[in-house]
Amino acid sequence: SQQGEEDPQALSIQEGENATMNCSYKTSINNLQWYRQNSGRGLVHLILIRSNEREKHSGRLRVTLDTSKKSSSLLITASRAADTASYFCATLHLEYGNKLVFGAGTILRVKS
Amino acid sequence: EPEVTQTPSHQVTQMGQEVILRCVPISNHLYFYWYRQILGQKVEFLVSFYNNEISEKSEIFDDQFSVERPDGSNFTLKIRSTKLEDSAMYFCAGLDRDWGGYTFGSGTRLTVV
Repeated sequence: SQQGEEDPQALSIQEGENATMNCSYKTSINNLQWYRQNSGRGLVHLILIRSNEREKHSGRLRVTLDTSKKSSSLLITASRAADTASYFCATLHLEYGNKLVFGAGTILRVKS
Repeated sequence: EPEVTQTPSHQVTQMGQEVILRCVPISNHLYFYWYRQILGQKVEFLVSFYNNEISEKSEIFDDQFSVERPDGSNFTLKIRSTKLEDSAMYFCAGLDRDWGGYTFGSGTRLTVV
């Protein structure tokens, strides 16, 4: 089964608007992480939320986690053109060997 | 801030050739990983490495792949006889178990021609 499935697959918004991306997963997790990837580049860690946390903030980023629904959302407020990138959620299951399981990602385009 | 360093950033190789991708993890990380991302697809787990041995590997990580930590610092991924379908970005990562977060390297883009 696949973990960390994001929706939407692609999102196009105007600069200044908020962007919301969602992620669903299937099995229990220790934490869920969001990463950003500019085209053809490396993975940048954005934020980590543990299974016992419900919400976390970092600058313009807000992440929520609902373990009962096995879902998470990433909100980017007041988006900028520089936020244009792919965003991935990834789940960590320490009892299953510490590996991160990534979703397919959401491609965000912020138009200026 | 500590970084995971990968070299080379881009490698082009002929099909059938051996390649070695190199990584210098963060010194206090104990768990190391290789992931790959075929262009336009999701990031896939290849192998995890702990205490100088493989702790887990995916079905992608067949006999053509191997990992080593030859000198206690560098962490390498070797592909013995590359295939066209090995073309991908390969990411090295380390896990900080205290906070559960990974640090990824900037990746090596491998192109097999």
